[in-house]
Amino acid sequence: NAGVTQTPKFQVLKTGQSMTLQCAQDMNHEYMSWYRQDPGMGLRLIHYSVGAGITDQGEVPNGYNVSRSTTEDFPLRLLSAAPSQTSVYFCASSPATGAYGYTFGSGTRLTVV
Amino acid sequence: GENVEQHPSTLSVQEGDSAVIKCTYSDSASNYFPWYKQELGKRPQLIIDIRSNVGEKKDQRIAVTLNKTAKHFSLHITETQPEDSAVYFCAASRDRTGANSKLTFGKGITLSVRP
Repeated sequence: NAGVTQTPKFQVLKTGQSMTLQCAQDMNHEYMSWYRQDPGMGLRLIHYSVGAGITDQGEVPNGYNVSRSTTEDFPLRLLSAAPSQTSVYFCASSPATGAYGYTFGSGTRLTVV
Repeated sequence: GENVEQHPSTLSVQEGDSAVIKCTYSDSASNYFPWYKQELGKRPQLIIDIRSNVGEKKDQRIAVTLNKTAKHFSLHITETQPEDSAVYFCAASRDRTGANSKLTFGKGITLSVRP
């Protein structure tokens, strides 16, 4: 049971490039979300999904796309990277019911130059 | 939407003293209030949580209290140790799991425990 796995751990992009941050969970969690963490700003919700085929926007969705074709995977796409997207990105998942809430991935540190 | 505020942004205590971190929230429909600890370069880790039908919850040296009327909740750490030094985030959501588990986080507080 690997939990929530994020890849890559580090990435440097040039302005205008595109890339996909991967997130996979093996706990059969229905709910998945993406947060970005910036100094002094806490964790801000980008997009979330309540199940396969269902996604919705969070607090800071501009510049990011998501899809949820399977329960396990929830990739985050940057279509045209900008320096303002330099951040640490965390994926998290939670089950439909039960005693435990969010499980976070280990994060992806993205730098856009 | 929900707004969670956390003050102050930094807190320094002497080892062995107690630390109290306070948060306020705005959405009266919020029912679940977790606290996360994040060490440098690591992922946030859940340390304790409380649901709105409970006023206080303890787990060894940490406790959380909730005042639903005033819309604030606090984290209490007793007998602080250097390994308690980290960033602590409070958060709120309508439910712990499922479709209403979308968490809104505070901005975090950096706790430093002086040896």
